[in-house]
Amino acid sequence: EIVMTQSPATLSVSPGERATLYCRAGQSVSNNLVWYQQKPGQAPRLLIYDASTRATGVPARFSGSGSGTEFTLTISSLQSEDFGVYYCQHHDDWWWTFGQGTKVEIK
Amino acid sequence: EVQLVESGGDLVQPGGSLRLSCAASGFTFSNYYMHWVRQAPGKGLVWVSRLNGDGGRTDYADSVKGRFTISRDNAKNTLFLQMNSLRADDTAIYYCTRSSNGRFEYWGQGTLVTVSS
Repeated sequence: EIVMTQSPATLSVSPGERATLYCRAGQSVSNNLVWYQQKPGQAPRLLIYDASTRATGVPARFSGSGSGTEFTLTISSLQSEDFGVYYCQHHDDWWWTFGQGTKVEIK
Repeated sequence: EVQLVESGGDLVQPGGSLRLSCAASGFTFSNYYMHWVRQAPGKGLVWVSRLNGDGGRTDYADSVKGRFTISRDNAKNTLFLQMNSLRADDTAIYYCTRSSNGRFEYWGQGTLVTVSS
């Protein structure tokens, strides 16, 4: 099982500012990296897959980058509706592993 | 529109059993791998189990192996999770999800399982 480590644990950002979230894999995962957003009381929502491809309907202010062991999710101009917890996730043929999450707070 | 609706969550005593269901609609159910993912109160997401489209291949997280059984009824577009020998650390919201190329594209709203005496 590959361990996924996210940082920071909490990020406080003012509306309009850039938010950068990090995800590190314990070993190379190529570009098999997915990002989700979860708001309180809701199910997770798929944001980014294959490290950098936005899912259908995801605003262009969300972007993903990285490969191997280091990945980044960037929200270019934070909106008030972007608060929540963001998870990265890796998959291989028979195992799915999530990071512990980064909570994005609106400052 | 893809919809996944879980049911069956409840309060159960340690050592007890529970069967969760997930009713799927809006897509050809038998064409997709389906999963269960859980989230303990205030905690992160944890993958639990996977089942392929025809029900012939199952995978489980080590924490539930031998206690949980995933299954599906493609005629009724329904996914199941039979949970036996439940423990306090199985307390969580259980989500049904549809995957494609390893990513969880669609999620249900979840059903809460509480294991407590």
